[in-house]
Amino acid sequence: DQQVKQNSPSLSVQEGRISILNCDYTNSMFDYFLWYKKYPAEGPTFLISISSIKDKNEDGRFTVFLNKSAKHLSLHIVPSQPGDSAVYFCAARANTNAGKSTFGDGTTLTVKP
Amino acid sequence: NAGVMQNPRHLVRRRGQEARLRCSPMKGHSHVYWYRQLPEEGLKFMVYLQKENIIDESGMPKERFSAEFPKEGPSILRIQQVVRGDSAAYFCASSPDVVETQYFGPGTRLLVL
Repeated sequence: DQQVKQNSPSLSVQEGRISILNCDYTNSMFDYFLWYKKYPAEGPTFLISISSIKDKNEDGRFTVFLNKSAKHLSLHIVPSQPGDSAVYFCAARANTNAGKSTFGDGTTLTVKP
Repeated sequence: NAGVMQNPRHLVRRRGQEARLRCSPMKGHSHVYWYRQLPEEGLKFMVYLQKENIIDESGMPKERFSAEFPKEGPSILRIQQVVRGDSAAYFCASSPDVVETQYFGPGTRLLVL
């Protein structure tokens, strides 16, 4: 039973346009969500996070939106740049078990020049 | 300020041998986490350790796998009698506290022949 799902394995966008990556979760105990970016042969790099008490968090070109009632979050990147091409992982954790993060399978983003 | 360090970066073992993966957390971080990534999948939580203690090992296979984080030295993930299914990328992460963001190392790619 996969508790965090990223239903789009891949996404391709044109440079300068918006990239929207989606993530759904099933465990209502999850109250903290993170996005990581991963290049081949490297470890995941933390991008941005959001607590369940918020519905939006912004950091430069990256914005994460959380819809608790739908158990859905999304990462918006605008404007997209070729250097953003990577695999993006959504992760979630519960405050009662904060050491354990549950990851989705990732979405490969390709930003075309 | 060095990040999380893992070695070796690549490890080849024959079936039945032992694999030892090492992780040095970031300076000031006393919480260490191990994750495994199979091809085309997301990261799967294995174990969470704090100096000299295993806090959560709910993701560890019951047999052949063990982890430690001694008072001095790196954290070690040990896999005894490796099988082909153990071939994966193993990532270590660390944080200064359990509620803080986990920062990942570059991973160890284990190949079992």
